[in-house]
Amino acid sequence: NAGVMQNPRHLVRRRGQEARLRCSPMKGHSHVYWYRQLPEEGLKFMVYLQKENIIDESGMPKERFSAEFPKEGPSILRIQQVVRGDSAAYFCASSPVDKPPASYEQYFGPGTRLTVT
Amino acid sequence: AQSVTQLGSHVSVSEGALVLLRCNYSSSVPPYLFWYVQYPNQGLQLLLKYTSAATLVKGINGFEAEFKKSETSFHLTKPSAHMSDAAEYFCAVSAGGSYIPTFGRGTSLIVHP
Repeated sequence: NAGVMQNPRHLVRRRGQEARLRCSPMKGHSHVYWYRQLPEEGLKFMVYLQKENIIDESGMPKERFSAEFPKEGPSILRIQQVVRGDSAAYFCASSPVDKPPASYEQYFGPGTRLTVT
Repeated sequence: AQSVTQLGSHVSVSEGALVLLRCNYSSSVPPYLFWYVQYPNQGLQLLLKYTSAATLVKGINGFEAEFKKSETSFHLTKPSAHMSDAAEYFCAVSAGGSYIPTFGRGTSLIVHP
């Protein structure tokens, strides 16, 4: 059973370019979360999605960032017009469908390390 | 509302010594609590979780944690540290209808030979 997959693992972009990060959840999981990790700052929640729906995007910057989780295919985190401050590790996690949702651990992908030059 | 505090951003122990990583939580309803470990350049993986079945929870790699409601704590311990335990450890809490766990800032465990 494949785990959470993220690609690319490393991504280098120049300032002003677009970055697209992909996440395929574990089989049978339809909840996807995106986090950003900066050194010494821990894990910051960005957005929570279910298939075709954004459930909570309270941690996402209002501009330049967007996320989707289409009916078919991976979840995508898109960063437009990247700036140096976007350099970080971005992690995707998934969890299964069931209730109560709070009791379920998350399964993390290996992350995408974005470097903006 | 829920929150978690990890005391100590770095903990240093000698190989073979006791490991103790501290986590205190705040939640208005009974919480679910998790410890994750992150090795360099990897994602987080679950060590153990508390879901109200038993207050002493055993996890992988010899780690365990005890839920203490009176102290609002969920400290992680291991009797004897191994060099391979060197990693970043994150405590997380989720509660009630929250779909989104709250993570602590992490504690870096350093193991000296």
